[in-house]
Amino acid sequence: QQQVKQSPQSLIVQKGGISIINCAYENTAFDYFPWYQQFPGKGPALLIAIRPDVSEKKEGRFTISFNKSAKQFSLHIMDSQPGDSATYFCAASSQDTGRRALTFGSGTRLQVQP
Amino acid sequence: EPEVTQTPSHQVTQMGQEVILRCVPISNHLYFYWYRQILGQKVEFLVSFYNNEISEKSEIFDDQFSVERPDGSNFTLKIRSTKLEDSAMYFCATGTARDFLETQYFGPGTRLLVL
Repeated sequence: QQQVKQSPQSLIVQKGGISIINCAYENTAFDYFPWYQQFPGKGPALLIAIRPDVSEKKEGRFTISFNKSAKQFSLHIMDSQPGDSATYFCAASSQDTGRRALTFGSGTRLQVQP
Repeated sequence: EPEVTQTPSHQVTQMGQEVILRCVPISNHLYFYWYRQILGQKVEFLVSFYNNEISEKSEIFDDQFSVERPDGSNFTLKIRSTKLEDSAMYFCATGTARDFLETQYFGPGTRLLVL
């Protein structure tokens, strides 16, 4: 019940295209859903996050769509650039668990081709 | 911009040896976490720590693991008797109650290789 399922495992997108990564969760206690970006050899860095009281959040080229009834959320990267090539992790946390310990998805390796 | 730092960046050790991984949190952060990432796999929560005690630990965090904040600045993860399966990247993360702990800032990690 603590799992967050993420797909696809890898994604190749042409420069200027839209990258879409999907996540699903089971635990209805989750109330915070961040996306982390990780470059090789680096730690995960917070990219964008959403709370379940909104259905969409946009920051620049990055948008999270959230469907509370389906327990799904997704990351859309518009106008994808080669610099966006990284591994993306969705995550979830609950205020009731471990000082908001993050439960991560399995990651999506994004490659944006020039 | 303040950053979480970790030392060492890489550590190679023999099975059965003790290792200590160190983290220097962002200065005004009081909530600390350790996560690990086995090569090619997802990031997994190990333990959270606040006010000099463990808040929660995962199933991975068994008796061979311990955490402490020995000098009020560093936050350490000790693995008492390393096993081959402890080989992973270990990330320290810190947070502040000002944003309800939602934003966790990750360090660059320590890559541990157990031979």
